[in-house]
Amino acid sequence: EVQLLESGGGLVQPGGSLRLSCAASGFTFSNYAMSWVRQAPGKGLEWVSAIRGGPGNTYYADSVRGRFTISRDNSKNTLFLQMDSLRVEDTAIYYCAKDQLAFCSGVSCTQVFDIWGQGTLVTVSS
Amino acid sequence: DIQMTQSPSAMSASVGDRVTITCRASQGIRNYLAWFQQKPGKGPKRLIYGASGLQSGVPSRFSGSGSGTDFTLTISSLQPEDFATYYCLQHDSYPYTFGQGTKLEI
Repeated sequence: EVQLLESGGGLVQPGGSLRLSCAASGFTFSNYAMSWVRQAPGKGLEWVSAIRGGPGNTYYADSVRGRFTISRDNSKNTLFLQMDSLRVEDTAIYYCAKDQLAFCSGVSCTQVFDIWGQGTLVTVSS
Repeated sequence: DIQMTQSPSAMSASVGDRVTITCRASQGIRNYLAWFQQKPGKGPKRLIYGASGLQSGVPSRFSGSGSGTDFTLTISSLQPEDFATYYCLQHDSYPYTFGQGTKLEI
C-alpha cells in the first residue's frame, strides 16, 4: 500500500525550531519529488516546499525561505522539514505529499499529489 | 510566481444541481492543474489530474476541463457527500500555488 506518515509536530515557542518527518512506503521514494503543504486553522492550502527526486533540487515558498530546510534520506525513504525561527503564523497542519516523477514525460508528469499523509499539527505559541 | 484565482470563494447549491468552479492562472500552465476536495477534519483528496483526468475511484459526475490559463471543475449532479471545499493547484513550475478554495454549502 502506498502510504505517507508524518511525525514531529507539536507546540513550540516563537523563535523555536521543530523537525518534521514523513515516512514513505509502497513506491520508489527516490524517484519522486516530494512536497510539504500546510493549512493554517480555518484557512486554505499553502504549498511550502519541495525537493526533487534525482538531483534533489529544493524549492521554497517566499513565506518560509531562509527559515525552513527540506531534505530527504532515500536510504530510509524519509522526507524532512527543518523549521527554524518559527513564527505564530507558521501554526498549521503540515502535510507531506508525493510530487512529480523525476524525468517524467507526458501523462506521468501530471501524476502529482495523488498521495498525502495524514498531517501533523504544528502550534507556535508562547 | 504564478497566481491562481479561484471563483467563487463560496456558493450554495442543492442536491441535483450542476455546479461549476473556475480557476484562472496568471500565465499559461499547459495542463498542469489538479483539483482537490477537502472535507472538515480531513486531508485533501485528488479528484482531477492533468486538468481533465479523472482520479481512479472518483465518481464520473466530476469532470475537469481547460488548458493554458482557464480551467473548470464541474459537478454534474450534486450529491450530499459533495458538500466540501474544493481547491485547484498549478504544478507547472515551482513555487506551486493553490487557488483560494471554494466552499460548497447546502
